[in-house]
Amino acid sequence: AQSVTQPDIHITVSEGASLELRCNYSYGATPYLFWYVQSPGQGLQLLLKYFSGDTLVQGIKGFEAEFKRSQSSFNLRKPSVHWSDAAEYFCAVGAPTGANNLFFGTGTRLTVIP
Amino acid sequence: NAGVTQTPKFQVLKTGQSMTLQCAQDMNHEYMSWYRQDPGMGLRLIHYSVGAGITDQGEVPNGYNVSRSTTEDFPLRLLSAAPSQTSVYFCASISFAPRAGINSYEQYFGPGTRLTVT
Repeated sequence: AQSVTQPDIHITVSEGASLELRCNYSYGATPYLFWYVQSPGQGLQLLLKYFSGDTLVQGIKGFEAEFKRSQSSFNLRKPSVHWSDAAEYFCAVGAPTGANNLFFGTGTRLTVIP
Repeated sequence: NAGVTQTPKFQVLKTGQSMTLQCAQDMNHEYMSWYRQDPGMGLRLIHYSVGAGITDQGEVPNGYNVSRSTTEDFPLRLLSAAPSQTSVYFCASISFAPRAGINSYEQYFGPGTRLTVT
């Protein structure tokens, strides 16, 4: 069965610092991988997705993620964090046969300090 | 396009009451899903539909019913609300043509319905 682990519940970074949010997945094959962002009281916005090919994926808002098959990881990165990036971030996996059904991690809350 | 709309935004129910959460999309997407979000647990899939007339259970279907009579609408019904169903509910729609590649993938979440059962 699919599962997603986000080991960091809460991360605090200074504005302008780099960011890496960790995501590990468990799946029998290479799944579809996603990162979402959720601002307080809001819905989810898709940041980026990976299906196959180049393992470094570029997304919106300056985010990127790298798929590492050997580590079953799909970590999200941003070189310089802005105060507006403060939000909750969710990693999700979907089966290649049905990308409509997603399994989410428990989320990482990002706090940005000036 | 209005995207994915959900009504109501907030709802308070008493234990045992029934209600329907509405979800609609105007993008002609085949796939629609319902998730619930609880603190510390991420989002969990309740039910999903791959097209009009076709529905199936997700990870946490108990206590919920769905139907899909049209492509646009995917209502979620609580027949007898319980305090354990207090949550934020999100509807999502997806359009994806695997043969067309990754750029054909579109997914949108609605703004959510915050439900409290007392």
